[in-house]
Amino acid sequence: DAGVTQSPTHLIKTRGQQVTLRCSPKSGHDTVSWYQQALGQGPQFIFQYYEEEERQRGNFPDRFSGHQFPNYSSELNVNALLLGDSALYLCASSLEVAVVFGPGTRLTVL
Amino acid sequence: GQQLNQSPQSMFIQEGEDVSMNCTSSSIFNTWLWYKQDPGEGPVLLIALYKAGELTSNGRLTAQFGITRKDSFLNISASIPSDVGIYFCAGDTSGTYKYIFGTGTRLKVLA
Repeated sequence: DAGVTQSPTHLIKTRGQQVTLRCSPKSGHDTVSWYQQALGQGPQFIFQYYEEEERQRGNFPDRFSGHQFPNYSSELNVNALLLGDSALYLCASSLEVAVVFGPGTRLTVL
Repeated sequence: GQQLNQSPQSMFIQEGEDVSMNCTSSSIFNTWLWYKQDPGEGPVLLIALYKAGELTSNGRLTAQFGITRKDSFLNISASIPSDVGIYFCAGDTSGTYKYIFGTGTRLKVLA
């Protein structure tokens, strides 16, 4: 079982650009959540997808959007990147209560 | 964004010592999770707690869901060098897997 996988591992963008991050959930998991983790902080909930719909959203602007595909994989899109968007972006999948995290994508905005 | 209060923020201990850390909130939680994160990695689930008063062990780790449902505790017995890392608590108030994370406890073990 590969667990949760994310791509790419690292990414460097400049301000104003757009970025797409990808996630494949753990086998059998149908719910995907995205978290942003700034350096030295705990993860912050961005949004959650279930049955291809955004089910919940945290306190993040509309520049952050996502998608879930029929195979449960998911994408996180961020438009008009700001310096403050630099962080580790974590994808997490779940079937029941406990949430399993992927290794993350390190995004650096210059 | 909202984060849970976690203490201590950091700690240095000698190998073989026991470690205790806790997480508190002003809100009531339905679920508590404890994670360990190594540098550059995603958090790894250690223990999940589902009801008030529950005490659960995973090897040398023991965690408890506080009776008030507003706190949780993690204990590590006989620490070893590989216990080094950042420990996070996470709580869910709604039962929908939208977790709020603590601020983290950074553990360093001196051999």
